[in-house]
Amino acid sequence: GAGVSQSPSNKVTEKGKDVELRCDPISGHTALYWYRQSLGQGLEFLIYFQGNSAPDKSGLPSDRFSAERTGGSVSTLTIQRTQQEDSAVYLCASGGTSGPYEQYFGPGTRLTVT
Amino acid sequence: AQSVSQHNHHVILSEAASLELGCNYSYGGTVNLFWYVQYPGQHLQLLLKYFSGDPLVKGIKGFEAEFIKSKFSFNLRKPSVQWSDTAEYFCALTGRGSYIPTFGRGTSLIVHP
Repeated sequence: GAGVSQSPSNKVTEKGKDVELRCDPISGHTALYWYRQSLGQGLEFLIYFQGNSAPDKSGLPSDRFSAERTGGSVSTLTIQRTQQEDSAVYLCASGGTSGPYEQYFGPGTRLTVT
Repeated sequence: AQSVSQHNHHVILSEAASLELGCNYSYGGTVNLFWYVQYPGQHLQLLLKYFSGDPLVKGIKGFEAEFIKSKFSFNLRKPSVQWSDTAEYFCALTGRGSYIPTFGRGTSLIVHP
């Protein structure tokens, strides 16, 4: 079946602009995660959605970062007033209904802020 | 706070060599442990996981890992590596009851044919 998809695959933006990154999880998966992976670093947790519950935003690095998940499916990560340090690969993962979750990752969006 | 340490950042082996990648963690409670792999140009995928029970877990492609609670370790092993094992390997943990994982920085493995 279809896996997790993310768009765009690459995004180059100018410092100060806003960007939106999209994630389409596996159909039926109730959990959705966003991570950031910088060069040579591990995955940094950003935000976690579980069903209709309030998201866990504890990993968002600043108030410039926000995310939504509409209808329990597609999610959008928005970065406002981008900075050069926001340059990274942004990964989305979805998981099933039993925990602890096995996460299925998307291909990521490579964001470059110039 | 929980953390995961992968001490080997880069490992280079020849085919048929044995592999052991270190993973140590810090967490004051029961943990679930994972190894993920990212092959060149591919998505991150789960290699194996430990939740409870037998501390020696087997994953895909001949990999295994052993949870040693006294050493806070979950090292990944493979007796004979192949060129196709060239990839980035990430160790991760969640605290029991938590769904927020902490990942290590990853180990880059290069296997020469």
